Amino acid sequence: DTGVSQDPRHKITKRGQNVTFRCDPISEHNRLYWYRQTLGQGPEFLTYFQNEAQLEKSRLLSDRFSAERPKGSFSTLEIQRTEQGDSAMYLCASSLAPGQSRNTEAFFGQGTRLTVV
Amino acid sequence: AQSVTQLGSHVSVSEGALVLLRCNYSSSVPPYLFWYVQYPNQGLQLLLKYTSAATLVKGINGFEAEFKKSETSFHLTKPSAHMSDAAEYFCAVSGAVFTGNQFYFGTGTSLTVIP
Repeated sequence: DTGVSQDPRHKITKRGQNVTFRCDPISEHNRLYWYRQTLGQGPEFLTYFQNEAQLEKSRLLSDRFSAERPKGSFSTLEIQRTEQGDSAMYLCASSLAPGQSRNTEAFFGQGTRLTVV
Repeated sequence: AQSVTQLGSHVSVSEGALVLLRCNYSSSVPPYLFWYVQYPNQGLQLLLKYTSAATLVKGINGFEAEFKKSETSFHLTKPSAHMSDAAEYFCAVSGAVFTGNQFYFGTGTSLTVIP
């Protein structure tokens, strides 16, 4: 396993268009997280899944954002009707869940950089 | 509730000098603390983590950090800076393993190494 992978690495879209990003976590990890990072800021938590269940969503996740993890493996993050304020790096991370191991560190992908023009 | 504060958004050191990046945390539960490094247009790479074992934690690339509960601090140090250390560094906190593990990041410290 080569780690968390994200696709695409870069996306430029026109305002109002829909975009979808994909994240493939480390295979044995049952937790998957999405973060957003804007320029000069630390990553901000958006949502996370344990297996296929979405357990928490940040208030940052407006109704234009939807995330899925249908089979408990890869996840998609869709942004509808993109706005310029959505321009950011979207980071995916995965980890083991509490109880499975004391080693619950998160491993991050390289991110998808979204630019809305 | 958990949060971290990184003092100093930009730090410059000379090559070979001591690196000190500051992080203070706030946590209502026993914290797990992490330092991540991010190179331009890259994801986050874990440098080291504190998970309630030894208070002095050694990480990769010669970095270490000390957990000081009395000071609610987890500062990152490296005795001798190298040009390749130039990057953005993020401190993060999460709840201990039995209370969930969303990660809360600081705003980052950009390290410049001067030749």
